[in-house]
Amino acid sequence: AQKVTQAQTEISVVEKEDVTLDCVYETRDTTYYLFWYKQPPSGELVFLIRRNSFDEQNEISGRYSWNFQKSTSSFNFTITASQVVDSAVYFCALNLGELTFGTGTRLTIIP
Amino acid sequence: GAVVSQHPSRVICKSGTSVKIECRSLDFQATTMFWYRQFPKKSLMLMATSNEGSKATYEQGVEKDKFLINHASLTLSTLTVTSAHPEDSSFYICSATGETTTDTQYFGPGTRLTVL
Repeated sequence: AQKVTQAQTEISVVEKEDVTLDCVYETRDTTYYLFWYKQPPSGELVFLIRRNSFDEQNEISGRYSWNFQKSTSSFNFTITASQVVDSAVYFCALNLGELTFGTGTRLTIIP
Repeated sequence: GAVVSQHPSRVICKSGTSVKIECRSLDFQATTMFWYRQFPKKSLMLMATSNEGSKATYEQGVEKDKFLINHASLTLSTLTVTSAHPEDSSFYICSATGETTTDTQYFGPGTRLTVL
């Protein structure tokens, strides 16, 4: 069975602080994809990143960075110099043919 | 690229009526479309998966006769909530994958259904 755990239900940080959202997954498969999606108050899910299980290279995109560690089954997401527009619910997801979502982390950036 | 639209974005209906929600892939051909339901402050729950021209595959616990899904073309899937009841009120989101993006689902903006 596959499972995605986002232990942090809600996080609040002051603007310009860095914040890391944790994601731990469980699967017995060796080939899979991991995703992060952002869901702002409008409701639309915005695709942020896809990572396949064979690529453990960390990725940086502007203020966003992702740390994939297969040894600990984690795929954490860091926002540096946070901004109010980053306030949203962030979902980590695992794809093994079917997308399994974590429960989401509600991030609030305080101005 | 990979834009998915949904219509309507918001609908209010009376109990007992049927509501149709459309999901369109605007700039790619969607070989597979997915329908999710999301309750307030909860994660997304997959309702069904549909491939163009085939019958949808429903997840356990989802009533096929209540949630009718049609994927008639490579750019359009519809979800019809039949004989809606207040407990059907929810946020419904569709997603799609294309021939060249089979592993990544692109999501529509969602439809908020309120049944009075």
